Amino acid sequence: GESVGLHLPTLSVQEGDNSIINCAYSNSASDYFIWYKQESGKGPQFIIDIRSNMDKRQGQRVTVLLNKTVKHLSLQIAATQPGDSAVYFCAENVDDYKLSFGAGTTVTVRA
Amino acid sequence: ETGVTQSPTHLIKTRGQQVTLRCSSQSGHNTVSWYQQALGQGPQFIFQYYREEENGRGNFPPRFSGLQFPNYSSELNVNALELDDSALYLCASSLGTTQETQYFGPGTRLLVL
Repeated sequence: GESVGLHLPTLSVQEGDNSIINCAYSNSASDYFIWYKQESGKGPQFIIDIRSNMDKRQGQRVTVLLNKTVKHLSLQIAATQPGDSAVYFCAENVDDYKLSFGAGTTVTVRA
Repeated sequence: ETGVTQSPTHLIKTRGQQVTLRCSSQSGHNTVSWYQQALGQGPQFIFQYYREEENGRGNFPPRFSGLQFPNYSSELNVNALELDDSALYLCASSLGTTQETQYFGPGTRLLVL
């Protein structure tokens, strides 16, 4: 089975609010994680990554948090915009070279 | 800088046929990974190529094979197509093999009838 999974398959958020997308992983040896955004008809787009020697990393309007104790990571999107509507995947780097993806969370932004 | 490109964008085949999908890596990237994404699911790792050699393989049968060329572009070949092979096939390139960020192309949508 997949080693990476998301807590909720769908998330509806009001435009301008903050979004939080959660992800649980099962392999305690994993030490590199990536968040991707996939819009309809497109390939996954890199958002942000984090390594296990960090517990927080910030990008432009996005923050990734990693809790190794409970094997959980989250993606926070500040001031969600209509263009943020997409499917979000967390991916775990397995055996140092391949990515293992969860099923994804579909984010819908309400105007 | 040119991103990852894939061709064709769409393809329709029938059961038992063979298909070749192509990928050009992002400028400067020497590693290519292939993934299969069924509808409504996350991508599944097929294999990775580095320096024209297969660097690792996921849980896919031998009828899935690949190549990498000296210019780092890559091909995915699937023989004896089955209905369940219908999916989006994604190519991702990276600077190396170990814990490197993988950047994805737009994918090839394959439909097997």
